[in-house]
Amino acid sequence: GQQLNQSPQSMFIQEGEDVSMNCTSSSIFNTWLWYKQDPGEGPVLLIALYKAGELTSNGRLTAQFGITRKDSFLNISASIPSDVGIYFCAGETDSWGKFQFGAGTQVVVTP
Amino acid sequence: GAVVSQHPSRVICKSGTSVKIECRSLDFQATTMFWYRQFPKKSLMLMATSNEGSKATYEQGVEKDKFLINHASLTLSTLTVTSAHPEDSSFYICSARGPGTANYGYTFGSGTRLTVV
Repeated sequence: GQQLNQSPQSMFIQEGEDVSMNCTSSSIFNTWLWYKQDPGEGPVLLIALYKAGELTSNGRLTAQFGITRKDSFLNISASIPSDVGIYFCAGETDSWGKFQFGAGTQVVVTP
Repeated sequence: GAVVSQHPSRVICKSGTSVKIECRSLDFQATTMFWYRQFPKKSLMLMATSNEGSKATYEQGVEKDKFLINHASLTLSTLTVTSAHPEDSSFYICSARGPGTANYGYTFGSGTRLTVV
């Protein structure tokens, strides 16, 4: 099956710093999504990417759908304490909304 | 926006009993719903795809007789964990997809923490 690799596994950063994480795949995806999950909660959609090369922002978040359709990155600028959580990428493996998730990137922000 | 309600948020049950988890789309009709399972500090793993009015499609390795899925209406899918055992303890999350609208495809419930004792 398709392999989806997310890195880094965890990040410890100071408040105000920028954060960058990415996902790569051995196969192409139709759609890339980025989610944030807080402990004990379901994932919350941050950004959805539908076209190769697409660059989309949501406040301090920016994500891009790689031109090869095999990768995507998420940047968080000027991090704040509430950015703490686990961020997941997800690639759509078919046209019916079935997604494969990356292993997650845990972000810890220190004051 | 699209809202998915999942209930209960937490449940503790005795080994051997069955537990039902509900997933409802509150402001849209969900033709397809997905059930995921998440172990501590791990990613979400798709268990099955639930289609309104038809049988669910299970991922490889998921026992369909153990995890019964019913999608009897366009706003409700249920997952029943039958004869639960401690190894079934996990975080179960549903996701609902509406008909045709891209953004509706990507809304998750808040999850159900199942603990089997």
